[in-house]
Amino acid sequence: EVQLVESGGGLVQPGGSLRLSCAASGFTFSNSAMSWVRQAPGKGLERVSGISGSGSRTYYADSVKGRFTISRDSSKNTLYLLMNSLRAEDTAVYYCAKSVPLTGYPQTYYFDYWGQGTLVTVSS
Amino acid sequence: SYELTQPPSVSVSPGQTASITCSGDKLGDKYACWYHQKPGQSPLLVIYQDNKRPSGIPERFSGSNSGNTATLTISGTQAMDEADYYCLAWDSSTAVFGGGTRLTVL
Repeated sequence: EVQLVESGGGLVQPGGSLRLSCAASGFTFSNSAMSWVRQAPGKGLERVSGISGSGSRTYYADSVKGRFTISRDSSKNTLYLLMNSLRAEDTAVYYCAKSVPLTGYPQTYYFDYWGQGTLVTVSS
Repeated sequence: SYELTQPPSVSVSPGQTASITCSGDKLGDKYACWYHQKPGQSPLLVIYQDNKRPSGIPERFSGSNSGNTATLTISGTQAMDEADYYCLAWDSSTAVFGGGTRLTVL
């Protein structure tokens, strides 16, 4: 059974930092692209970052580029998101999602499994 | 930037067919997928690659995609289908989600 368990969320002041983790099990983590998708309270979904199975390719939404860093440790089956210079508009539930590539469409995916999410609140 | 437009809400009676649309420029040239999300829960994939159902998703969920519109159809809608539904497509390697549709089963 595929399981994704996020942790690391919490309350942080504007300008602060947090590192989110996503522990994966039930599939071959090292072969799987992964993504972080967030959802602000009462709002829709936004993919903020993605990483290839090897870790050699990464993606960042313009809204987080230069502030967030995605990484993975295949020895620990864990995905990370380091978030710096946090802003009030980064307040959201952050989900990690297993990403399955779409055949014939490079760097495009569907997200077949999602974690339960971890809430990040940026406020003074 | 690319945008996907969904109606904010759709209502359906139990046992009837619900259709939720997702519109975007030449969306039919891309693959669309659909997620179902109940309050306080994570999104759940119900349709991928326009019309494929993941294992465990009931047959009453189906999808189509042509022209500028992708459609999620729920046949014989049940009370348990009441949720928010989001479409997803990709443009220039960027994931684009629709704004979501709240399905109410009256």
